[in-house]
Amino acid sequence: SQTIHQWPATLVQPVGSPLSLECTVEGTSNPNLYWYRQAAGRGLQLLFYSVGIGQISSEVPQNLSASRPQDRQFILSSKKLLLSDSGFYLCAWSTSGGVHEQFFGPGTRLTVL
Amino acid sequence: KNQVEQSPQSLIILEGKNCTLQCNYTVSPFSNLRWYKQDTGRGPVSLTIMTFSENTKSNGRYTATLDADTKQSSLHITASQLSDSASYICVVSAADYKLSFGAGTTVTVRA
Repeated sequence: SQTIHQWPATLVQPVGSPLSLECTVEGTSNPNLYWYRQAAGRGLQLLFYSVGIGQISSEVPQNLSASRPQDRQFILSSKKLLLSDSGFYLCAWSTSGGVHEQFFGPGTRLTVL
Repeated sequence: KNQVEQSPQSLIILEGKNCTLQCNYTVSPFSNLRWYKQDTGRGPVSLTIMTFSENTKSNGRYTATLDADTKQSSLHITASQLSDSASYICVVSAADYKLSFGAGTTVTVRA
């Protein structure tokens, strides 16, 4: 069966510090991978998606970047965090082709102080 | 602009009672609609997924309906349990596979 992991689960970082959140998927090959941010009382906002190694599409301009160094690894990064980067970050995967049901990871709660 | 509106924003129900959540969307062209359950501090978990030709789908005590003509969906929870306390998110997929997310309805079940 497929599983998706995210770490860390929670993170508190000072403004201006770097960020690296990691997401890995097991039990599937060549998945589509996604990074979302969820703000309180708001719908999930798609940040990045990837259909293959090294292929990253950005949905919104922001202070964050994403990379996919391996087939089942997706990394969300920032060189300098802003207060507005605080939120709940979710990684998701789906199979490529057909109806793309997405399966979400457990999430990372990021607080920027 | 593709949008998904959910109502109510939140509700409180007594254990054992039923409730219905609403989702209206303007996504076009429509591909499918999903309902997710999200426990506090956790990732969303899929409850149901419906395509254009399906107008009802059940998953245990959860029953989703879809009216593609009026672009409305509902999620009905039967005989609620304390574990049903969560946020329920309606997600609509357009034909290009881009997803539009509702803000969710927070359900609190009280003993």
